[in-house]
Amino acid sequence: SQQGEEDPQALSIQEGENATMNCSYKTSINNLQWYRQNSGRGLVHLILIRSNEREKHSGRLRVTLDTSKKSSSLLITASRAADTASYFCATDGVKTSYDKVIFGPGTSLSVIP
Amino acid sequence: DGGITQSPKYLFRKEGQNVTLSCEQNLNHDAMYWYRQDPGQGLRLIYYSQIVNDFQKGDIAEGYSVSREKKESFPLTVTSAQKNPTAFYLCASSIKQGWQPQHFGDGTRLSIL
Repeated sequence: SQQGEEDPQALSIQEGENATMNCSYKTSINNLQWYRQNSGRGLVHLILIRSNEREKHSGRLRVTLDTSKKSSSLLITASRAADTASYFCATDGVKTSYDKVIFGPGTSLSVIP
Repeated sequence: DGGITQSPKYLFRKEGQNVTLSCEQNLNHDAMYWYRQDPGQGLRLIYYSQIVNDFQKGDIAEGYSVSREKKESFPLTVTSAQKNPTAFYLCASSIKQGWQPQHFGDGTRLSIL
């Protein structure tokens, strides 16, 4: 069963605007990661946030984690056309039968120049 | 530069044919993974390997086989038993298995002739 699920499925914004994507998950986690995938390419790791952290920054990226709501958000500030990609959250499960990371279905972001 | 190389980029399979997708990494990572991605969907785990000569089934292993004879290499064979093989296949590696950030290759797109 799917652990993380991103929202919205698709997002279209103008260059310079901020983009916010959300990820909700069902069971307790140790870590949550965000990845980016450009069309026809592999995924690129963006940021990892641990369950005892609430916020993390990396350049124009800001990730928050609310374990009480079982949700995370990824904010991209001052978006650029090059940010056009799909964004995936990936969670591990404290109670999964073996250690693995589960990817959500992703948010497709289009940044219009 | 270190990374993961997948080949070929495009592959076509005839009915009843087995095909093998190559994945090589020079990151000195212990863990390697194979994922399947269908259009507009997230990644589903096919097989993973924590160490040489050891591998485990993921969520959708039926119709696929792997080997891990060398640390650097983790080839995936799509057998004729896989009735719906058309998809984008991604190979990844991480330092250790589990929640560690994964590094991805640029994928192989497999189609049926």
